[in-house]
Amino acid sequence: NAGVTQTPKFQVLKTGQSMTLQCAQDMNHNSMYWYRQDPGMGLRLIYYSASEGTTDKGEVPDGYNVSRLKKQNFLLGLESAAPSQTSVYFCASSLVSSYNEQFFGPGTRLTVL
Amino acid sequence: AQSVTQLDSHVSVSEGTPVLLRCNYSSSYSPSLFWYVQHPNKGLQLLLKYTSAATLVKGINGFEAEFKKSETSFHLTKPSAHMSDAAEYFCVVSGSGNTGKLIFGQGTTLQVKP
Repeated sequence: NAGVTQTPKFQVLKTGQSMTLQCAQDMNHNSMYWYRQDPGMGLRLIYYSASEGTTDKGEVPDGYNVSRLKKQNFLLGLESAAPSQTSVYFCASSLVSSYNEQFFGPGTRLTVL
Repeated sequence: AQSVTQLDSHVSVSEGTPVLLRCNYSSSYSPSLFWYVQHPNKGLQLLLKYTSAATLVKGINGFEAEFKKSETSFHLTKPSAHMSDAAEYFCVVSGSGNTGKLIFGQGTTLQVKP
């Protein structure tokens, strides 16, 4: 039981490049989330998915896109990376209720030059 | 709208002394509240959660928190700090609706001095 896994762990991009961050969970959770963490700002929600095939914008969705084609996978895409997207990205999953805690992956450290 | 404020960005204690990390929340309904811990270069781990049962919640590693509705607070405490407690701590409130969304505080860095 691996929980929530993320790939890659580290990534360096040049401005304008694109990439996809991958997240997988093996807990059969309905909901999945993508956050970014910046110093002094806590975690901010980028996108979330309440169930397979559905996605919704969070607090900071601009410049990102997501895909939830399978229940266990949630992909975060950067179409044209910008230096402002340098951050640590966390994926999380949970059962659908707000009473249930979210389980977090180890994070992806992304630097955009 | 739901929000959470962590009153201290940094807290420094000596090993063996009590820990108090302060958190106030704002919510238009009875929220679920959580404390998460993040050790350096690691993901977030749940310490404890409040979901409208007992107001004093016990978590892992000797931490506990008390839900005080009248003060809209959910402070985290531990009687005796250990060096391994040095980390960043996040107070979190559930978002509106039943989406499972969470609202994070800005975090408190706990330093433990020998």
